[in-house]
Amino acid sequence: DGGITQSPKYLFRKEGQNVTLSCEQNLNHDAMYWYRQDPGQGLRLIYYSQIVNDFQKGDIAEGYSVSREKKESFPLTVTSAQKNPTAFYLCASSPWDSTFNQPQHFGDGTRLSIL
Amino acid sequence: AQTVTQSQPEMSVQEAETVTLSCTYDTSESDYYLFWYKQPPSRQMILVIRQEAYKQQNATENRFSVNFQKAAKSFSLKISDSQLGDAAMYFCAYRSARGGATNKLIFGTGTLLAVQP
Repeated sequence: DGGITQSPKYLFRKEGQNVTLSCEQNLNHDAMYWYRQDPGQGLRLIYYSQIVNDFQKGDIAEGYSVSREKKESFPLTVTSAQKNPTAFYLCASSPWDSTFNQPQHFGDGTRLSIL
Repeated sequence: AQTVTQSQPEMSVQEAETVTLSCTYDTSESDYYLFWYKQPPSRQMILVIRQEAYKQQNATENRFSVNFQKAAKSFSLKISDSQLGDAAMYFCAYRSARGGATNKLIFGTGTLLAVQP
């Protein structure tokens, strides 16, 4: 079955450490997205990518970095510059459609906590 | 900038009854899409229903239907014959049809729905 796989499910970060969250999809979707979810704030967009080797900052990109070397993969690195990384991170993908009619499909998420 | 507001942090419904979740949004655009996503305790986001702004007819998906009032910028979700499995956080989301940097989902803060047996 096609879907989006996020790993790990739980991740702990030490002070000053960079950590990378994995997101892989086998839906053949062009566009991929990273969201951060905090209690009471809904989901906020961190980065998105519409095609391979291209990505754009979302609303809260500071302290995060991404890469898109393959269509299937869109890893997110939480750097030491992100001072409040504790949150639930969701990856999503959607087909590229010029009308932007296509809904986004989500992975199961990664919960990141500070040690 | 577009915003989405869900004014009901929590709602409760008896099994087999009907419940309506509210959502309002603010935009100056005329063409856009609206979505309701469900997030059960497993935390996966599941698309429930979507509505194209240019369509006057309200979308329906089995027990789920929407009341889309474009002039009032309102997009409520009605769940009929509520089931225990409907218990979840529900998010309303907006997406511009213009593309580019506006091609993103803007989410409300969610409504936590409890279903009582």
